[in-house]
Amino acid sequence: DSGVTQTPKHLITATGQRVTLRCSPRSGDLSVYWYQQSLDQGLQFLIQYYNGEERAKGNILERFSAQQFPDLHSELNLSSLELGDSALYFCASSVWGADTQYFGPGTRLTVL
Amino acid sequence: GNSVTQMEGPVTLSEEAFLTINCTYTATGYPSLFWYVQYPGEGLQLLLKATKADDKGSNKGFEATYRKETTSFHLEKGSVQVSDSAVYFCALSGGSGGYNKLIFGAGTRLAVHP
Repeated sequence: DSGVTQTPKHLITATGQRVTLRCSPRSGDLSVYWYQQSLDQGLQFLIQYYNGEERAKGNILERFSAQQFPDLHSELNLSSLELGDSALYFCASSVWGADTQYFGPGTRLTVL
Repeated sequence: GNSVTQMEGPVTLSEEAFLTINCTYTATGYPSLFWYVQYPGEGLQLLLKATKADDKGSNKGFEATYRKETTSFHLEKGSVQVSDSAVYFCALSGGSGGYNKLIFGAGTRLAVHP
């Protein structure tokens, strides 16, 4: 158990809908990262937050957004969902400046 | 940009066989290197890491040595078990890109048979 929690574990929705994925980092970690794992793209970095502020952006679509709240939990919002958004979404956390990230169990999103 | 290339799978071995999964990287600066493992239906677990040239990371019988001259970080285990069946990901972070993200290889699926 890494100490990073993600909810829900599974999510099934329809095209065009909007969903929110939630992540709670390890105790003491201020950095949160979001990754997408799909069959065609592999594991890709989406976005990083540190103590409530966006710090780095990767291959994140404009339809996706994220935020980190004062209690340090983070949410990834996915809107206007398409079939191709079906994937496993991971959250990871670390202390600032550390090279090691600890991953949550992931949320499996299925868009029908 | 930085990238990681690892051998394609699946790798199929008998129990107690020797395992090597090749990983090479392209990066500017001095990145940290990692192996993560994903067991069926689970998330990513950090298996081992190395932060500078010639460092050896080790855990649970797995080892990998940071080779700057060959830009490699091959994963090895002397005697695999059925319970080692999983997908293994090589990754890097840092270097001139900073520790903002992990860059992963495509993953190598390992299947170990009794």
